[in-house]
Amino acid sequence: GNSVTQMEGPVTLSEEAFLTINCTYTATGYPSLFWYVQYPGEGLQLLLKATKADDKGSNKGFEATYRKETTSFHLEKGSVQVSDSAVYFCASRPGGYQKVTFGTGTKLQVIP
Amino acid sequence: EAQVTQNPRYLITVTGKKLTVTCSQNMNHEYMSWYRQDPGLGLRQIYYSMNVEVTDKGDVPEGYKVSRKEKRNFPLILESPSPNQTSLYFCASSTGGNQPQHFGDGTRLSIL
Repeated sequence: GNSVTQMEGPVTLSEEAFLTINCTYTATGYPSLFWYVQYPGEGLQLLLKATKADDKGSNKGFEATYRKETTSFHLEKGSVQVSDSAVYFCASRPGGYQKVTFGTGTKLQVIP
Repeated sequence: EAQVTQNPRYLITVTGKKLTVTCSQNMNHEYMSWYRQDPGLGLRQIYYSMNVEVTDKGDVPEGYKVSRKEKRNFPLILESPSPNQTSLYFCASSTGGNQPQHFGDGTRLSIL
């Protein structure tokens, strides 16, 4: 079946540090890939997505590239801010109306 | 405004007392889904629905029921709640294919 594996958290970084959160997936075919962010006390919201190999999703300074050869979709940001403190979820979705698979989430804490 | 609305946001109740968590979306989405979020376990899918009168089990369906009589509504029913169903619950909706999900703000259930 499909699965998504994320790096364990929590991740603690100083402001302006470089961020990488690893995500790998297993799937039959070529799923669409997503990163969602959950701020404290809120629901999940889409951060970025990529729908085919070599696509790069980007938003709010975050980027992730769909790597078919390594089945990965790592999240990166060059300079994190305190306001980026949140839980980040990687997810994959096959085509049609098949179910979405989420990773376990990675908590990021950015300290001033 | 496009949104997914869950009610109630918070509920404390007792073992065995039937409860329903409502979910409504105003985006005419075919796909709707329920998740529970527990520390260390990430998001786990309970049930999902691909359209009216079409539902299927997710990863953790035991102890839950759903129905999809109208496109906009997807209630989650706990016929006989137990303490292990204490959790944070999210409803989500989307169109099919490679589109992201829209999440509600969550319902925090405590079963005593």
